Amino acid sequence: SSELTQDPAVSVALGQTVRITCQGDSLRSYYASWYQQKPGQAPVLVIYGKNNRPSGIPDRFSGSSSGNTASLTITGAQAEDEADYYCNSRDSSGNQVFGGGTKLTVL
Amino acid sequence: QVQLVQSGAEVKKPGASVKVSCKASGYTFTSYDINWVRQATGQGLEWMGWMNPNSGNTGYAQKFQGRVTMTRNTSISTAYMELSSLRSEDTAVYYCARGSLGAVAGTLIYYYYYYMDVWGKGTTVTVSS
Repeated sequence: SSELTQDPAVSVALGQTVRITCQGDSLRSYYASWYQQKPGQAPVLVIYGKNNRPSGIPDRFSGSSSGNTASLTITGAQAEDEADYYCNSRDSSGNQVFGGGTKLTVL
Repeated sequence: QVQLVQSGAEVKKPGASVKVSCKASGYTFTSYDINWVRQATGQGLEWMGWMNPNSGNTGYAQKFQGRVTMTRNTSISTAYMELSSLRSEDTAVYYCARGSLGAVAGTLIYYYYYYMDVWGKGTTVTVSS
């Protein structure tokens, strides 16, 4: 199995840019997907593949990857972006793994 | 619209089993994987396993091997997740999520990615004596 490591908490000033990172060996072979989860709600896919956004996700959300690190960047963070963010990847055995999650606070 | 509708909350005693359903609508059920993910209160997301509704093939996280069974009924576009030998630590919200595999061509190899783009609202399972 593999693990994905995320910072537990990150904060950003309203309107500024924030990067949330995810590290793991599986990211050398697989792109991460990113999920936003607000309290009491199901997760929502925000980024997948090289840098794809599902319909309805604002273009201030973007993804990138280098080596064993995947990043989710929010350019111009809004109050409604305050949430938990999880990265996810698929390892060589076909199993999925989630990072521990990053709690984003918008100040 | 595309959606996954899950069954209602369950309360079970330790040692019992629970079976959660996930009914798909708005898309071809057999064309996408179904994943099951759970989340204990205040904790992160935990992947439990996946199923290919077309073939019935499954893959389970090692942690749940021997205790979880994922099945489907294609005639009613419904997936099921059964977890046995329940203990208090299994108290959580259980989600089903539609999954897809994609690939991007690199210089020498393909880079794969997997994503879960449609999620059910979750089913709360409480295990208590």
